[in-house]
Amino acid sequence: AQSVTQLGSHVSVSEGALVLLRCNYSSSVPPYLFWYVQYPNQGLQLLLKYTSAATLVKGINGFEAEFKKSETSFHLTKPSAHMSDAAEYFCAVSRGSARQLTFGSGTQLTVLP
Amino acid sequence: EAGVTQSPTHLIKTRGQQATLRCSPISGHTSVYWYQQALGLGLQFLLWYDEGEERNRGNFPPRFSGRQFPNYSSELNVNALELEDSALYLCASSLFIGEANYGYTFGSGTRLTVV
Repeated sequence: AQSVTQLGSHVSVSEGALVLLRCNYSSSVPPYLFWYVQYPNQGLQLLLKYTSAATLVKGINGFEAEFKKSETSFHLTKPSAHMSDAAEYFCAVSRGSARQLTFGSGTQLTVLP
Repeated sequence: EAGVTQSPTHLIKTRGQQATLRCSPISGHTSVYWYQQALGLGLQFLLWYDEGEERNRGNFPPRFSGRQFPNYSSELNVNALELEDSALYLCASSLFIGEANYGYTFGSGTRLTVV
């Protein structure tokens, strides 16, 4: 079964600092990988997705992620954190005939002034 | 383009009652997915409907059920409500062309509170 592991349920960074949120997946075949963001009391907004076209994926709001097959990782980064980036971030995977998304447990990002 | 719409936004029910949640997918999307986001339990997959059929089901009891209509909108029904059913229920729709995955779009959710 496919699964997703997000390391660190809470991450705090200072405004202007690098954001790094970690995601590792387990899959025997190349998956589709996604990062979503959730603001309080809202649904999920797609940040970016990997669909095997390119290993470095650029998303909205300055976020990007790199697919590393050798490490089975898809970490999310942003060079400079803004206060508005404070939210919960979810990594998700889908693969093959199991079209539903399987989510990681989420990482709450806090941005300190 | 209209996004995924869910109704109602909030729903308060008494234990033992039934709840019905509704979802309208993005135009052209034939698949609808339901997820439960309960406090401390993350996002749990409930149901996947495609072309009017239930295609997959998560690890939930049978009192969680649903259906998809010919216009691809969907209902989630929760019978015999329990306090632990209190959660944010999210609906998503997706577009696949063959095996090519064009992504998933989520609605804003229905907050179900069972008292």
